[in-house]
Amino acid sequence: DQQVKQNSPSLSVQEGRISILNCDYTNSMFDYFLWYKKYPAEGPTFLISISSIKDKNEDGRFTVFLNKSAKHLSLHIVPSQPGDSAVYFCAAISGGTSYGKLTFGQGTILTVHP
Amino acid sequence: NAGVMQNPRHLVRRRGQEARLRCSPMKGHSHVYWYRQLPEEGLKFMVYLQKENIIDESGMPKERFSAEFPKEGPSILRIQQVVRGDSAAYFCASSPGQGAGQPQHFGDGTRLSIL
Repeated sequence: DQQVKQNSPSLSVQEGRISILNCDYTNSMFDYFLWYKKYPAEGPTFLISISSIKDKNEDGRFTVFLNKSAKHLSLHIVPSQPGDSAVYFCAAISGGTSYGKLTFGQGTILTVHP
Repeated sequence: NAGVMQNPRHLVRRRGQEARLRCSPMKGHSHVYWYRQLPEEGLKFMVYLQKENIIDESGMPKERFSAEFPKEGPSILRIQQVVRGDSAAYFCASSPGQGAGQPQHFGDGTRLSIL
């Protein structure tokens, strides 16, 4: 049962344009969401997060939007740079029994062309 | 990903052997998490430990897999009698405490290959 879904396996964007990565979830107990970036042969690197009590969080070129009613979140990267090319994972936490368990989506490969 | 150290980076084992994966958390972090990534998939949670305690092992296979985080030394993920299906990248993460506001920081993983 895939509780966090990233339905676009890949996304290609021109340098300078906006990249929009999407994520859907099914578990209404999730109350915190994170985005990680991953380069080949490296571990995921934390990018940005958002609590379920907010609908937007911004950090530099990265903005995460949360639509709780639609159980949908998105990551916007503006402007996109070639160095942003990587796999992006959406992850969620449920505050139920512990905050230890991150549930990840399958990832979206972002390619930013110069 | 400086900080969380995993070794070895690559490990090759034959079917039936044991695999031991080590993880040293970032300085000041007392919470350790293990995840497994199969080819073409996202990371799947395995286990969450604090020093000398297993907090959540809901993602661990019931047999052959065990994890520990002793008072001294790194956290160890141990896989006994490995099978081909254990081939994957195993990632360790750490955080300073429990709570959604303390993101987990990942190591670069151990790539386990089973011959």
